[in-house]
Amino acid sequence: GAVVSQHPSWVICKSGTSVKIECRSLDFQATTMFWYRQFPKQSLMLMATSNEGSKATYEQGVEKDKFLINHASLTLSTLTVTSAHPEDSSFYICSAREELAGEGTQYFGPGTRLLVL
Amino acid sequence: AQKVTQAQTEISVVEKEDVTLDCVYETRDTTYYLFWYKQPPSGELVFLIRRNSFDEQNEISGRYSWNFQKSTSSFNFTITASQVVDSAVYFCALSEWVDSGYSTLTFGKGTMLLVSP
Repeated sequence: GAVVSQHPSWVICKSGTSVKIECRSLDFQATTMFWYRQFPKQSLMLMATSNEGSKATYEQGVEKDKFLINHASLTLSTLTVTSAHPEDSSFYICSAREELAGEGTQYFGPGTRLLVL
Repeated sequence: AQKVTQAQTEISVVEKEDVTLDCVYETRDTTYYLFWYKQPPSGELVFLIRRNSFDEQNEISGRYSWNFQKSTSSFNFTITASQVVDSAVYFCALSEWVDSGYSTLTFGKGTMLLVSP
C-alpha cells in the first residue's frame, strides 16, 4: 500500500518550453501533496504544499508563476515548470500524505529528472 | 524553528559490519513525529519508520533498529550485519503537529552509507 507514482521519470527539453509533471497516489487518497527539488548530493528542498481543491502554498523563494501546481483531485497533483531554463534542471520529487487519524507519513514518488538544454 | 542534524556525511563499512546513523533534532513542540527514509541510487525515497514523540520504545525490524532518546533529542538508526543493498543515502526528518494536521517535513542533510563486499 501507499504507492505514489510520478510521470514522466525523465524529461529533456529545450530552454523556453514548459514541462508538466504528474504525481498520483495509487492506492490511497491524499488530501495533501508536496513538491520537492533535490540537487545532486543535497537534501530535499520543499517547494510547495498542495492541498486538494485549494491554492498551493509556496515556500519562500519559490516563484509561484514559474512553478505552477494544481491539485485537482485527491489522487493527482501536477507541477508545471513554465518557460524552463537550464537552471531549472534538477530532480523533482513529489510526496503524498495519507490523512488517517494520527497518521502523518509522507510517501514519495520515484522522482522526475529534468534536464533543460 | 526546527532543525535536524545528521552529522555523518558519509560512512563506509564492509559487508556484515554493524553501522549506526546518527540523527539529532531540535524542536520546541512536545508533539512531533520523527522519520527515517532511505534513498537508493535510483532516487526514490523509501519510508522506513515513523515514531511519535510520546513513544520512546526502541523498535526493531529485521536488521534495522531505531533508538529514540528524548533526553538527548536523538533518533539513531542501526543496521545490523550490513549488506551491499543497504548502500544508499539515509535521511532523518522531523514533522511537528500543527492543529488538525502536520507541518511539512524538515529533513537532515542525509548520510550516505557505502557498504562494500
